[in-house]
Amino acid sequence: GQQLNQSPQSMFIQEGEDVSMNCTSSSIFNTWLWYKQDPGEGPVLLIALYKAGELTSNGRLTAQFGITRKDSFLNISASIPSDVGIYFCAGQLSFGNQFYFGTGTSLTVIP
Amino acid sequence: GAVVSQHPSWVICKSGTSVKIECRSLDFQATTMFWYRQFPKQSLMLMATSNEGSKATYEQGVEKDKFLINHASLTLSTLTVTSAHPEDSSFYICSARDTGQIDTEAFFGQGTRLTVV
Repeated sequence: GQQLNQSPQSMFIQEGEDVSMNCTSSSIFNTWLWYKQDPGEGPVLLIALYKAGELTSNGRLTAQFGITRKDSFLNISASIPSDVGIYFCAGQLSFGNQFYFGTGTSLTVIP
Repeated sequence: GAVVSQHPSWVICKSGTSVKIECRSLDFQATTMFWYRQFPKQSLMLMATSNEGSKATYEQGVEKDKFLINHASLTLSTLTVTSAHPEDSSFYICSARDTGQIDTEAFFGQGTRLTVV
């Protein structure tokens, strides 16, 4: 399968701070997705990106599809305690095919 | 977003027995569904792609005779872990895409926690 490298592996931040995480791959993807997973639950979609260079926001979350199509980043502004969880990027090589997941970023928000 | 339902949410079985996990798309049709497994504190690893009406496509290293996949309808895929052993204990998650939509993301079920004792 494809290898998606996600960084950082974990983050500990104060409530109110901004967060940034990214995902890189050696392959070119045509779709990037960002998910959040709570313990014992399936991943929940946060943002979907379909075009190189695309910048999309969802509330306090902003994600961008890298120009090279080999990377993507996710920003969370003004973090709150409920942002705690594991964030995964997922990439798709071509339409209709399977998604491969990044290694995950564990986020802890300290009140 | 679209709803994917997975059943059961958790199961405990004896070593050597088989376990079936269901994945249903509740409000859309899915010709393709995906099965992942996730070990504690690790990422989701794709096991196989389930294709409605045809054989599943397995990722390298996944035993197709051990993890049987059946996708008999446009809203249901099943994963059967045959002759389960403790090392098969894991979190199994399915996902599905809306076949009728272009450029749609994959929606996930809530996962099934399998414990083999």
